[in-house]
Formats: sequence, C-alpha cells, structure tokens
Amino acid sequence: NAGVTQTPKFQVLKTGQSMTLQCAQDMNHNSMYWYRQDPGMGLRLIYYSASEGTTDKGEVPNGYNVSRLNKREFSLRLESAAPSQTSVYFCASSVDMPQETQYFGPGTRLLVL
Amino acid sequence: AQSVTQPDIHITVSEGASLELRCNYSYGATPYLFWYVQSPGQGLQLLLKYFSGDTLVQGIKGFEAEFKRSQSSFNLRKPSVHWSDAAEYFCAVGSRGYQKVTFGTGTKLQVIP
Repeated sequence: NAGVTQTPKFQVLKTGQSMTLQCAQDMNHNSMYWYRQDPGMGLRLIYYSASEGTTDKGEVPNGYNVSRLNKREFSLRLESAAPSQTSVYFCASSVDMPQETQYFGPGTRLLVL
Repeated sequence: AQSVTQPDIHITVSEGASLELRCNYSYGATPYLFWYVQSPGQGLQLLLKYFSGDTLVQGIKGFEAEFKRSQSSFNLRKPSVHWSDAAEYFCAVGSRGYQKVTFGTGTKLQVIP
C-alpha cells in the first residue's frame, strides 16, 4: 500500500495563477482532509470530506475549492494564488471521523511569488 | 468549540534525559486526544491516542501520555530520549458530534548529545 500520496511535491506559482493539488489514498478510507501548515500556526484545516460525495469547510477555506472525485481522490484547487497561500499543504485520510487515526501524505510545498 | 494549547514552542533535552511535552485542551463533549510526530520534511505520524478507559496510554517509540480530566491535560512523556526523537510534536483533540480534529501549534524537540 502506498498510503496517502500527494502531487506535486513542490510548486512555484506567480500571483494570480491557478493550480490543483492532487491527493489519493489506497486504504479505502471514508474521510479525507486538506491542511495547511505555517510556522507557529500548526496545522489548520482547509476543507474536509467526511464521505464520498460530501465536502465541508474547515478553519481556513477562503481562496480554495475542493473536489472529492471518488472515494480515493480529494483535490484542492487554488483559483487565483496569492502570496498568503505560500505554505506546506498536507492531505490526510481516516477510516471515519473524528475518532480515527489520520494518515498523512508527504506534503506539497507551495511558493507563491 | 474545541481547542488545543501547546505552551512550549521549543524544548531542548539531553539524550538519555526524560521528556514531558505539555498539552491542554478544551472541548464541548467527550474528547478524543491524539499525539502526532512530524520528522523534518515529512508528514505527521500518530504516536498514540486516547478515547476512553485507562487514562495512561502507551504509544509507539516508547512514548506514553496521561489523560487528566481535572486538569484538561494530555501530556506526552518518554523516560529516556534518543537523538532520533528530535522532531515536532503535535497534540490534537476531537470530540463526538464535532466532525473535525483540531491540532495544536506544535512543540519542536531538540536533542543534544
């Protein structure tokens, strides 16, 4: 099992450009999450999907959209990137929520110039 | 709303010394408590979790944590730290009826010879 995979590993964007961060899990998990990690801020939840076909806003959803494409895949889209979105983005999944262990991907480092 | 406080941003310990990382939480229902570890450049990995029952929880890599309801704390401990324990540690809380897990801001552990 690959667990949780994320692409790309690193990306540089110019302000105003768009991009999609991809996430996939092969553990047959129902729930998936997108977090951003910034120094001194810990992990902040952007969006989550409790189950296939549902998505909900987390703590910091502004400037992002998500798609739960199927049970395996959960993508995060930045429609018009801003320097404030420079961060490390982590995708995670769990069997169910909220009491289950979350399994994290290796992260995507995004730099917006 | 649930929240987590990790009062120590950075801790330095000598190899072989004992370790205690502090975590305080607030919640609106029965808490689910977690400790995750993040090695440099990697995603988070679960160390241990508490849902109910015995308040002393054993985890991987020789870590343990104690749930103290009266103090709203879930401190992480290890009797003898190894150089490979140098990482960032995150406490997290979830609760029944609240579909998100909230992470603390993290404590960075440095281990000196």
